[in-house]
Amino acid sequence: GAVVSQHPSWVICKSGTSVKIECRSLDFQATTMFWYRQFPKQSLMLMATSNEGSKATYEQGVEKDKFLINHASLTLSTLTVTSAHPEDSSFYICSATSSGLDPDTQYFGPGTRLTVL
Amino acid sequence: DQQVKQNSPSLSVQEGRISILNCDYTNSMFDYFLWYKKYPAEGPTFLISISSIKDKNEDGRFTVFLNKSAKHLSLHIVPSQPGDSAVYFCAATGSGGSNYKLTFGKGTLLTVNP
Repeated sequence: GAVVSQHPSWVICKSGTSVKIECRSLDFQATTMFWYRQFPKQSLMLMATSNEGSKATYEQGVEKDKFLINHASLTLSTLTVTSAHPEDSSFYICSATSSGLDPDTQYFGPGTRLTVL
Repeated sequence: DQQVKQNSPSLSVQEGRISILNCDYTNSMFDYFLWYKKYPAEGPTFLISISSIKDKNEDGRFTVFLNKSAKHLSLHIVPSQPGDSAVYFCAATGSGGSNYKLTFGKGTLLTVNP
């Protein structure tokens, strides 16, 4: 149980284009979803927290107009990187928690590798 | 200010021996701690957790010890297997905190040699 999927797993795009990444909880309803990015050999950096049906809460230094997060249902959250630039190239990972499970434990998706040319 | 610290970036052990991964924290509001295992280009996988009301939690080959007075926790893997080779992240959260945000350490790369 507690499986989280992400799509796509890998995407290459041109500078200036937008990319959408989906995060789905497959076998549970995700009360809260989190979006992280990870640079090589670095820790996971929390970008934003989202609850179904409400606006995401962004961490300090994360541009909310650039990283659009939509959490339209209890099983789906999307992250859209708008007007992507090479410095946005990174590994993006989502996680989810559920009030039905242990709310302190986050279950992670497999990640999405974004490369912006 | 790094609230969760994993001071050893890497650790190498022989197969069958014990692996001990350490983690220190500074925020006294943290009361729930987790260990995640991560392979390259994959998302972290939850391993084991411990609440601050306990000082030990065991699950198969994995045991987590918590020393609240020292603000220190450790993950013991016995016996270590080559498949355990991965990056291990320590994470902490405070109950009642905003949406149960996790604070991660920078990770320790464990290599188990056959």
